Amino acid sequence: SYVLAQPPSVSVAPGKTAMITCGGNNIGGKSVHWYQQKPGQAPVLVISYDSDRPSGIPERFSGSNSGNTATLTISRVEAGDEADYYCQVWDSSSDHWVFGGGTKLTVL
Amino acid sequence: EVQLVESGGGRVKPGGSLRLSCAASGFTFSDYGMNWVRQTPGKGLEWVSSISTSSSNYIYYADSVKGRFTISRDNSKNSLYLQMNSLRAEDTAVYYCAVGGGDPSNYWGRGTLVTVSS
Repeated sequence: SYVLAQPPSVSVAPGKTAMITCGGNNIGGKSVHWYQQKPGQAPVLVISYDSDRPSGIPERFSGSNSGNTATLTISRVEAGDEADYYCQVWDSSSDHWVFGGGTKLTVL
Repeated sequence: EVQLVESGGGRVKPGGSLRLSCAASGFTFSDYGMNWVRQTPGKGLEWVSSISTSSSNYIYYADSVKGRFTISRDNSKNSLYLQMNSLRAEDTAVYYCAVGGGDPSNYWGRGTLVTVSS
């Protein structure tokens, strides 16, 4: 089955840029979606189809995907961005959605 | 406003059954595929099952629940269901319904907690 690997944690100072990676075999050939989840809340889609921002998501959130790594980039990080972030892809070989293990973003 | 409200969670003994429901409003339910996703407390997200708009195009299950869980929908009632049988301790989780099916999930409910314990 397809596996997505995310770092368990990323720390960043306010105002700096955070980059959260999602690794998978030839993930560049798939569409990657990113979710933000704050404690006690449901996930929120922040990036779809590698780099599209849903309505209401700040321009500070961006995504890229190439080769074996997809990246969620959060510019000018704010305290309110502190959350867990999950990547997701559709694995067509198994007809399964696959989530990465999640990355906890800590704003220092 | 899109709303998804899950219900039917609770405590059940191993081997037991539960039926989760998800009431949808604020959008044309029959136009969208739907998903169930679960999250063990303190852990990550795990996709459970997906169903197409009319149920006839596709129904998919995670390997961990295939043969035990059944997803269904009633478009006349704007409702999504998850029948869970032969429950195990490892099925303990918050279960979310989410709009999307084969597309990323733009809308999620708040979840319902299922606890499998003797």
